[in-house]
Amino acid sequence: EDKVVQSPLSLVVHEGDTVTLNCSYEVTNFRSLLWYKQEKKAPTFLFMLTSSGIEKKSGRLSSILDKKELFSILNITATQTGDSAIYLCAVARTGNQFYFGTGTSLTVIP
Amino acid sequence: GAVVSQHPSRVICKSGTSVKIECRSLDFQATTMFWYRQFPKKSLMLMATSNEGSKATYEQGVEKDKFLINHASLTLSTLTVTSAHPEDSSFYICSARVPPYEQYFGPGTRLTVT
Repeated sequence: EDKVVQSPLSLVVHEGDTVTLNCSYEVTNFRSLLWYKQEKKAPTFLFMLTSSGIEKKSGRLSSILDKKELFSILNITATQTGDSAIYLCAVARTGNQFYFGTGTSLTVIP
Repeated sequence: GAVVSQHPSRVICKSGTSVKIECRSLDFQATTMFWYRQFPKKSLMLMATSNEGSKATYEQGVEKDKFLINHASLTLSTLTVTSAHPEDSSFYICSARVPPYEQYFGPGTRLTVT
């Protein structure tokens, strides 16, 4: 059964902390792994990862994929209250299917 | 970047009526659009894949006769919730696929069935 598992389910940190969000997957015909940030409504795209070991970076966010161990991490450094959101991991497989994890709820307190 | 819109953003309807939700790709053509349903505190559930000019592909457990999907053009897909019931109340989100991998999500439609 194809599945995407994210951990932790929720996380509360203080501003300035660094957080690491995890996403493991078991998906046949893997094509890519995507990270999204969901605040109030629909998720917004953060990163897409297709190759192992290549870090993608955008400001304070970075992500890397390990296709051998079937996981990805999303790092956020120097967290800010605006980072509070649900972070979704999704795996795309061939055939236009996406499998989403249940998300990690991040709360950053001042 | 690519923009996907949904209309309406919020709708309240009476039980037994039908509601149509539109999903449009505003500055690109999307041969494939996806319809998701979001449950409280849970992730998105893929309902169906909408392909332009052909029948939608529904996920297991999703009633195709209840959730009618039409993808008549490269920029528009519609989801019609027929004979809506209170349990259909949810947040419905569409997304459009930009080859090869990315998806751009619409802002979602909040459906409340009274």
